[in-house]
Amino acid sequence: DAGVIQSPRHEVTEMGQEVTLRCKPISGHDYLFWYRQTMMRGLELLIYFNNNVPIDDSGMPEDRFSAKMPNASFSTLKIQPSEPRDSAVYFCASSDIYEQYFGPGTRLTVT
Amino acid sequence: AQSVAQPEDQVNVAEGNPLTVKCTYSVSGNPYLFWYVQYPNRGLQFLLKYITGDNLVKGSYGFEAEFNKSQTSFHLKKPSALVSDSALYFCAVRDSYGGSQGNLIFGKGTKLSVKP
Repeated sequence: DAGVIQSPRHEVTEMGQEVTLRCKPISGHDYLFWYRQTMMRGLELLIYFNNNVPIDDSGMPEDRFSAKMPNASFSTLKIQPSEPRDSAVYFCASSDIYEQYFGPGTRLTVT
Repeated sequence: AQSVAQPEDQVNVAEGNPLTVKCTYSVSGNPYLFWYVQYPNRGLQFLLKYITGDNLVKGSYGFEAEFNKSQTSFHLKKPSALVSDSALYFCAVRDSYGGSQGNLIFGKGTKLSVKP
């Protein structure tokens, strides 16, 4: 298995633009997680899904953030409109029963 | 509520010396405990886990961790540190019961620096 796949790996955009991050989880995993990592705030859980259904989105910072999982092999995290404070590394992870497996992350820079 | 604490922001060790990265946890039921490592510009990588059984768990790259129920701790250890072990280490916990199944609570991370 190729592991968790995220795209793009790097994204630079201007404030106000829409940003879409993509994730392909490991086949057979029932859970999918979106995290954000910054120096100031560390690793934050944004939202997670179980069998494509959002379970807990309490970590989504604002209405500007939205996430979808239309099927078991694909999820998106959208920021609209983006702001400079959204600059961070965004990780997707998937799991079956116990441990989570992380993707390489998307480094987002909003100027 | 579940929580995990990593009391040290940074641990400095000389190469060849033993290392310990500390972790304590709080859960209402039986804990599932995990250690992850993050190298620069990479995602978190699973090292080891404790679910049940032997309190001493062995994982990747020569790391091990000891589950101590009375002290609610799960410290990460390695007998002889390597410079290549320098990275950010995260402890994580999940309660074996409850509706949050699947979700891990991560600590803030401990930066390990191994000097030659």
